[in-house]
Amino acid sequence: DARVTQTPRHKVTEMGQEVTMRCQPILGHNTVFWYRQTMMQGLELLAYFRNRAPLDDSGMPKDRFSAEMPDATLATLKIQPSEPRDSAVYFCASGPGEGAVYEQYFGPGTRLTVT
Amino acid sequence: KQEVTQIPAALSVPEGENLVLNCSFTDSAIYNLQWFRQDPGKGLTSLLLIQSSQREQTSGRLNASLDKSSGRSTLYIAASQPGDSATYLCAVRPHSGAGSYQLTFGKGTKLSVIP
Repeated sequence: DARVTQTPRHKVTEMGQEVTMRCQPILGHNTVFWYRQTMMQGLELLAYFRNRAPLDDSGMPKDRFSAEMPDATLATLKIQPSEPRDSAVYFCASGPGEGAVYEQYFGPGTRLTVT
Repeated sequence: KQEVTQIPAALSVPEGENLVLNCSFTDSAIYNLQWFRQDPGKGLTSLLLIQSSQREQTSGRLNASLDKSSGRSTLYIAASQPGDSATYLCAVRPHSGAGSYQLTFGKGTKLSVIP
């Protein structure tokens, strides 16, 4: 049963600390997305990778967020330094790429709390 | 900029009722529309995807319709069950151009089915 996995599932940290979230996309998928979900804003796209190359990260605060794909099986989202307003659930999704029918498959999310 | 609205934000129905969830979007130039289900503390599960050329899609007790010209979609759930309790989100993908990979989400309708 192929699925997107994310670690950690929960993270509590203090303001100013570095946070790294990891995502393993479904094997064979060549697109990876990072989303953030809050009560106020709903789901927002932070970054998008295709074939490991970042195509769009305009949704991310550039000064503190960074997203990378060191290899095809790992995507990372890093926040440094973290702030209380970063508290949210961060979702990774992967997809099989462009085509007639395009779907994104979501991981379970990382719930981040910054105190 | 595409905006997706879901009304109502929350809905409570007795078990066995048929119900309709609504989704509206401001830009009708979409590639497809997707309905997701989100359980508390979990990721998103894709329920139905409707291509812009289609009028509806069905899966079991679920039926999603799309009226692209009026910017509306509905998700019909027949014979609701307590297990249907979740938040339902709709998302649209733009037809082309920059950001054509990007899903724009509504904030969801939280459904409670009372036994």
